[in-house]
Amino acid sequence: SQQGEEDPQALSIQEGENATMNCSYKTSINNLQWYRQNSGRGLVHLILIRSNEREKHSGRLRVTLDTSKKSSSLLITASRAADTASYFCATVKIRQPIIQGAQKLVFGQGTRLTINP
Amino acid sequence: GAGVSQSPRYKVAKRGQDVALRCDPISGHVSLFWYQQALGQGPEFLTYFQNEAQLDKSGLPSDRFFAERPEGSVSTLKIQRTQQEDSAVYLCASSLGRGYSNQPQHFGDGTRLSIL
Repeated sequence: SQQGEEDPQALSIQEGENATMNCSYKTSINNLQWYRQNSGRGLVHLILIRSNEREKHSGRLRVTLDTSKKSSSLLITASRAADTASYFCATVKIRQPIIQGAQKLVFGQGTRLTINP
Repeated sequence: GAGVSQSPRYKVAKRGQDVALRCDPISGHVSLFWYQQALGQGPEFLTYFQNEAQLDKSGLPSDRFFAERPEGSVSTLKIQRTQQEDSAVYLCASSLGRGYSNQPQHFGDGTRLSIL
């Protein structure tokens, strides 16, 4: 079953504008990750934020995490046509067995982002 | 270096047939995961390997699903007596897995399975 929900389910903006996507989850987490998926392709890791972090940046990406509200947001600044894709948040639950490397990801349903030239 | 490779990219089978999906992880990656992605949904966890050991198979939907990684590298996901609800994209991912740390997973492009 899905861990949480992304909002909005679909977003269409003009090139150059900023895009913000939100993710909510249900259980306590170890970390939260954002992935991008182009049509017909696999997922590409974008950024990971630990449960004790509140904000993280990577290039044009900014991720925030509010563990008290069990929510995260992904901001893409100065969007480009190549940013068109589906974006998923994924969580690693805090009470997973301590098995080496067992970072089982629980995904949301994703946000379909369209950047119009 | 090479990424995660999955084959075939597309598979069409008749209901009741058995299918086998292959995953070649990134060389040296200890951890390997299988996920199932239905159309328009996020991936859902199926099973996890650490080297050749299958440590978590809690996501496998039924006993018709079987996965193996006999030598700790290539993995095969087998579905027996396929049913229409098995139609989905099956994604494989690998990660270094050296120690319990925050690591990204590297995904293949998936196998799109269609059951007629």
